[in-house]
Amino acid sequence: QVQLQESGPGLVKPSETLSLNCTVSGYSIRNGYYWGWIRQPPGKGLEWIGSMFQSGTTYYNPSLRSRVTMSVDTSKNQFSLRLSSVTAADTAVYYCARVGRGYTARDWFDPWGQGTLVTVSS
Amino acid sequence: EIVLTQSPATLSLSPGERATLSCRASQSVSSDLAWYQQRPGQAPRLLIYDASNRATGIPARFTGSGSGTDFTLTISSLEPEDFAVYYCQQRSSWPLTFGPGTKVDFK
Repeated sequence: QVQLQESGPGLVKPSETLSLNCTVSGYSIRNGYYWGWIRQPPGKGLEWIGSMFQSGTTYYNPSLRSRVTMSVDTSKNQFSLRLSSVTAADTAVYYCARVGRGYTARDWFDPWGQGTLVTVSS
Repeated sequence: EIVLTQSPATLSLSPGERATLSCRASQSVSSDLAWYQQRPGQAPRLLIYDASNRATGIPARFTGSGSGTDFTLTISSLEPEDFAVYYCQQRSSWPLTFGPGTKVDFK
């Protein structure tokens, strides 16, 4: 079965860049599907960050577009998130997930990784 | 941006009772709505997609209904593991958005 695992620093300084990886097991990213990032500030709801295809096609939330970059490394079966110029408002649990049924980026998220907490603080 | 509103914010019930959760969209999303369950300390889990289709492995006590702007998630008889937060999500238009959640807790 498909499993996803987020990894990256748990603490990032204000104004720096948050970088996370999501390693996929049980499925080759080369075979398709879109892959996404969603975040959840402590005690709050969910916010879609962006989704991408293995070809490099990306879709970003307009509220974050100027600061977000997603990329994929098929050799490592991994995709990544970079969020620049972070502030305390970017403190959240960051989840990676596979997007829905494979033929569209505008779909559900299933399955999800377990999530990783990133704190922005000096 | 499509705004999703969920009600009630908190639903206090006992095991065995029926839970009815509502999700309302600021404009029509057709049937392009999903429901997720999030237990404490866990990632969200897809329950329902396309408004009424149960995801793989989801028990039959979970039922989704609705279309357009008004949607309902019904849990026919609450099991102890169902006490969690439930989110709706629309895929009708960019950006993808989630509702604020409904917490189902013990009465």
